[in-house]
This record gives sequence, C-alpha cells and structure tokens, in this order.
Amino acid sequence: AQKVTQAQTEISVVEKEDVTLDCVYETRDTTYYLFWYKQPPSGELVFLIRRNSFDEQNEISGRYSWNFQKSTSSFNFTITASQVVDSAVYFCALSEAPPRGSTLGRLYFGRGTQLTVWP
Amino acid sequence: KAGVTQTPRYLIKTRGQQVTLSCSPISGHRSVSWYQQTPGQGLQFLFEYFSETQRNKGNFPGRFSGRQFSNSRSEMNVSTLELGDSALYLCASSSSGGGTDTQYFGPGTRLTVL
Repeated sequence: AQKVTQAQTEISVVEKEDVTLDCVYETRDTTYYLFWYKQPPSGELVFLIRRNSFDEQNEISGRYSWNFQKSTSSFNFTITASQVVDSAVYFCALSEAPPRGSTLGRLYFGRGTQLTVWP
Repeated sequence: KAGVTQTPRYLIKTRGQQVTLSCSPISGHRSVSWYQQTPGQGLQFLFEYFSETQRNKGNFPGRFSGRQFSNSRSEMNVSTLELGDSALYLCASSSSGGGTDTQYFGPGTRLTVL
C-alpha cells in the first residue's frame, strides 16, 4: 500500500530560523517519484521539487534543500533562513511508475504541514 | 506558458443540485487529474484523463464523473450534491500522464454546498 506521512501538523518559527519538514513514505514499488508542493492561502498547489527513487542526491535550490534517504524512506525538506513569505501548507506526495504500456498514475499526498513564519 | 486554469473559482450550490467544473491544462499537456481537498480527508484523487479516456479513478461514488475533450480541456460533474461535497477541487495537468510526470495544479474551484 502507498502512504505518505507528515507527522508535523503545524510548525511555527521566527524569521531567519531554519526549519525542516519531515516526510516518510511507504511503497512496494522500486520505481517511484517523490514531490513537494507548497499551498499558500490562495489555494493553488505550487510545485517545488520532484525526485525519482534512483536518485538519492540531495538537492539545494536557494534557501530550499531536500534530503532523500531510501534507507529510512524519508524525503525531508529544509528551509534555511525562513521568511514570512514561506508561510504556507507544505505537502509531500508520492507517485508510482505505471505498468508498462499504461498511463495509470496518481499522487498520494500526506496531510500537510502548516508552516507559520513570524516576523 | 499559461498555467492551469479552472473555472469558476467559487461556487455556491444547494443540496440535490448538480455542478460542472472546468479545467484547461497547460498548453501541450494531455493528461488532466482531479483532486478533492477537504479539512477532514485531505487531498484525495478523483480521476485522471488522458487522450479523452479515463485512465484511473479514485474511490468516489458514481455521482462524481468527468470527461476530457479533444483539446485536453476537462470537466468534472457532481450530481445530487451533498453537504459533504463542499471542498476545494483541484485540477492538475501533466505532459503525458502516468506517475512519472510532474503534475502542475490550477488555483482550484471552491465549492460550497448549503
């Protein structure tokens, strides 16, 4: 069964603090994809990053970094020097590679982590 | 490129009515997926369309249906609305469907059922 767990429901930090959002996933597939999305109050889900299961390299993009560890089935997201504009709900999601010749595909989402950054 | 667009952005309906939501994918994208977001259940997959065919369906009753047109635009319909259908309905598009592509989301349609 596929499952994504974001144990942190809410996190509050003060501006310029670093913050890590945890994501743990379950899947039986050997080929899968992990995603992070940001949902500001406007409601739109904004794509942040996609990783495939064969690429365990950590990634850094500006103040954002991601730590993918297959051994612990985790894909954690760190924001360095947080800013008020980072306040949003962050979702981790999993998709599995479809069977050959099929286009079946769906995202399994965690419940999200509400991040509030105070000035 | 323009992003995914959804219309209308807000809807208020009463129980028993039906509603149709529309989604226009990113130009060139052929796959459209729909998700329902509620405080209680989170983000749940409704269905995916690719080349006018429903390829995958989530665990929702038959009152929820959809279709995709030859230009990849998609509509979803909910008949006999119930209070529990109040939610944010999000549409996502990807280039070729399946689980390998990144799905890009629209702003959503917020449906309120009274």
